[in-house]
Amino acid sequence: DAGVIQSPRHEVTEMGQEVTLRCKPISGHNSLFWYRQTMMRGLELLIYFNNNVPIDDSGMPEDRFSAKMPNASFSTLKIQPSEPRDSAVYFCASSKQGAHYGYTFGSGTRLTVV
Amino acid sequence: AQSVTQLGSHVSVSEGALVLLRCNYSSSVPPYLFWYVQYPNQGLQLLLKYTSAATLVKGINGFEAEFKKSETSFHLTKPSAHMSDAAEYFCAVSEDQGQNFVFGPGTRLSVLP
Repeated sequence: DAGVIQSPRHEVTEMGQEVTLRCKPISGHNSLFWYRQTMMRGLELLIYFNNNVPIDDSGMPEDRFSAKMPNASFSTLKIQPSEPRDSAVYFCASSKQGAHYGYTFGSGTRLTVV
Repeated sequence: AQSVTQLGSHVSVSEGALVLLRCNYSSSVPPYLFWYVQYPNQGLQLLLKYTSAATLVKGINGFEAEFKKSETSFHLTKPSAHMSDAAEYFCAVSEDQGQNFVFGPGTRLSVLP
């Protein structure tokens, strides 16, 4: 199994530009999570999906952030327009449904907005 | 509401010494508890988990953790630290089938030669 695959690994963009982060979950996992990690705030859950349906997006910081999961094998997190304070590492994780399984994390996308 | 505290944002031990990383949680129902490790520039990797079976849980790389309900704790230990254990360790709790985990702030472990 290739694990959870995120792309790109690094993204540097100018303020105001649109940024799209991508995630391919593990086949057979039906839950997908987007997290943001910063030194100041630690790990923050942004949104999660069960069976491609968004369940809880209360962690999405503002309307500039949006996430989609058009099918079981692909999800995107979009920031438009980007701001310097969005600079962080964004992680995608997937899981079988059921808290006892735990998550499998991707390697993350390091986003720098200048 | 569930929450997690990790005492000590940074712990240093000598190589070969005991590793003890503390985790306390609050939960209104029997929880699921997890420890994750994050090496530099990598994602989080599951070390071990407690899911209401044995209270002493063994994980990868020689780590283990004990669930103590009376103390609401799930401390992580390893008898003998290795240089390769240097990383950030996160405790997490979930109490519902919705899988909404709450992660602790993390503890950075340094291993001194």
